[in-house]
Amino acid sequence: EDKVVQSPLSLVVHEGDTVTLNCSYEVTNFRSLLWYKQEKKAPTFLFMLTSSGIEKKSGRLSSILDKKELSSILNITATQTGDSAFYLCAVEARPYNTDKLIFGTGTRLQVFP
Amino acid sequence: NAGVMQNPRHLVRRRGQEARLRCSPMKGHSHVYWYRQLPEEGLKFMVYLQKENIIDESGMPKERFSAEFPKEGPSILRIQQVVRGDSAAYFCASSPRGGGAFFGQGTRLTVV
Repeated sequence: EDKVVQSPLSLVVHEGDTVTLNCSYEVTNFRSLLWYKQEKKAPTFLFMLTSSGIEKKSGRLSSILDKKELSSILNITATQTGDSAFYLCAVEARPYNTDKLIFGTGTRLQVFP
Repeated sequence: NAGVMQNPRHLVRRRGQEARLRCSPMKGHSHVYWYRQLPEEGLKFMVYLQKENIIDESGMPKERFSAEFPKEGPSILRIQQVVRGDSAAYFCASSPRGGGAFFGQGTRLTVV
């Protein structure tokens, strides 16, 4: 069965800390991995990763995919209270001869001043 | 190009009533996903549809829930005889071909 697992489930840090969120997957015919940030509304897109070892950056956020280890990490440096959110990892796979997006349960990040 | 539109944003139903949630995908997108999110939990996959075709409904409860995506018009998630446990946020996402989804703002269903 295809699955995406995120860890930790929950994380509490102070402003200025650096955090690393993990996502591992077991899917049929992997195509890409996506990271989303969700606050009190719809998830917003952060990164899409298809190639192993190539880091994607956006400000204080960065992410990298390791296809050998079937995993990805999302790093956030110098965290701010505005980074508090659910971070969702999703993997695009092709289990039924058509593409499908499979989500992990998310990591809840809380950043305190 | 409007984003994914969901309506209503908030829906209140009494136990036993029916709830209809609508999702209009982005222009040009032919695939729609529905997800449910309980408070303080992550998104749970429910169903994946292409126009006039259900591709994967492995996340749908066996009873009371159904979904459709007709050739014309929005995708509809229908919950019959709602119960308190159906209270959740329901998100729709659309995709041009099944990946890299864009999300709507969600419908918050409250069953009283």
